[in-house]
Amino acid sequence: AQTVTQSQPEMSVQEAETVTLSCTYDTSESDYYLFWYKQPPSRQMILVIRQEAYKQQNATENRFSVNFQKAAKSFSLKISDSQLGDAAMYFCAYVGGGADGLTFGKGTHLIIQP
Amino acid sequence: EAGVTQSPTHLIKTRGQQATLRCSPISGHTSVYWYQQALGLGLQFLLWYDEGEERNRGNFPPRFSGRQFPNYSSELNVNALELEDSALYLCASSFRATGRNTEAFFGQGTRLTVV
Repeated sequence: AQTVTQSQPEMSVQEAETVTLSCTYDTSESDYYLFWYKQPPSRQMILVIRQEAYKQQNATENRFSVNFQKAAKSFSLKISDSQLGDAAMYFCAYVGGGADGLTFGKGTHLIIQP
Repeated sequence: EAGVTQSPTHLIKTRGQQATLRCSPISGHTSVYWYQQALGLGLQFLLWYDEGEERNRGNFPPRFSGRQFPNYSSELNVNALELEDSALYLCASSFRATGRNTEAFFGQGTRLTVV
């Protein structure tokens, strides 16, 4: 079974600064997707960014980018120019072709200091 | 296009009763996931349905059950409710292509309170 590990239960960053959230995963598959989801206080889960394993180029979405290291099974999220609205729980997730479906990490609580 | 919809938004039940939660996936999505999120905790995987069949279930007792209908909507049933079942229950749907699911889109959740 695949596992996803987020080793940072909580992170804090000053507004306008850059922060990186870590995620590692374990899989024997070669073809899979990785995602970062955001859950603000409203509790609505929002997809932030996705990465296909076969793509070497790191995905970017405006201020959000990932550092995907396939050999190391690492998938970190970088948030540039942090804004107060970025404060939320961030979940890393994996999906492959197996029967485990979508697997989530335990989440990182991101605090933005004004 | 309508997103994932869950009903009801809030549900209050008495210990020992049964709760039924409903989820309608995004049109074209065949997979439905159910997650439990207790206060301050992460997402605990409950059930995964795809094409009408249960594909996997998490580490929950049998009183947590569900089904997926021919139109791919899904129902989660919790029998013999206990106080610790109080949580936000999230439903997500995704599309399965070439043997692999794509990203999941979430509903707004059902807040279940057991008193």
